[in-house]
Amino acid sequence: GQQLNQSPQSMFIQEGEDVSMNCTSSSIFNTWLWYKQDPGEGPVLLIALYKAGELTSNGRLTAQFGITRKDSFLNISASIPSDVGIYFCAGTVDSNYQLIWGAGTKLIIKP
Amino acid sequence: GAVVSQHPSRVICKSGTSVKIECRSLDFQATTMFWYRQFPKQSLMLMATSNEGSKATYEQGVEKDKFLINHASLTLSTLTVTSAHPEDSSFYICSARGRGPATAQYFGPGTRLLVL
Repeated sequence: GQQLNQSPQSMFIQEGEDVSMNCTSSSIFNTWLWYKQDPGEGPVLLIALYKAGELTSNGRLTAQFGITRKDSFLNISASIPSDVGIYFCAGTVDSNYQLIWGAGTKLIIKP
Repeated sequence: GAVVSQHPSRVICKSGTSVKIECRSLDFQATTMFWYRQFPKQSLMLMATSNEGSKATYEQGVEKDKFLINHASLTLSTLTVTSAHPEDSSFYICSARGRGPATAQYFGPGTRLLVL
């Protein structure tokens, strides 16, 4: 089925560094959502994007809905230890609102 | 943000028994609820979509007689794993969304099921 290409698969960064990850697709998406999932927990919504070109921030997080509607990125500025986890992009393409998922980006922060 | 709860958070049962998992939207009306299953180190796999008052729509390969879904109200959906077997052991997560196109899905904390 449809899938989003999410990259990178994993990131090893130093505390304080900025982080960038993105998702691309060959299909046009109506919404883009970014979630963070900690082990043993459900995904937590970070940012939701509903319009092409939309740029939205949530604290140190910033995400954009690509103008072509086929991509989105998530940036995290000045990373801290609690940012560790797996970040998923997800999107919808039609009115049944089912989410199509990226494979996740695992963020690891080196002490 | 919107809050979705799941109960129980963990359950251990014997093979052949049935297990019910509840999903509740606590501060909004969930016109649509989704049930997912997640295997270790993988992203979420959609099992079924349920709209309030309607029968659930199951994804290909998901047995509707084994995974019974009821969405009886705008704040509650239940997933019953019938005649559970060890291969049904997994992490089950629900999500809920309200009305309209510009509405996100909010996830519950998940239920860890272990079938012995």
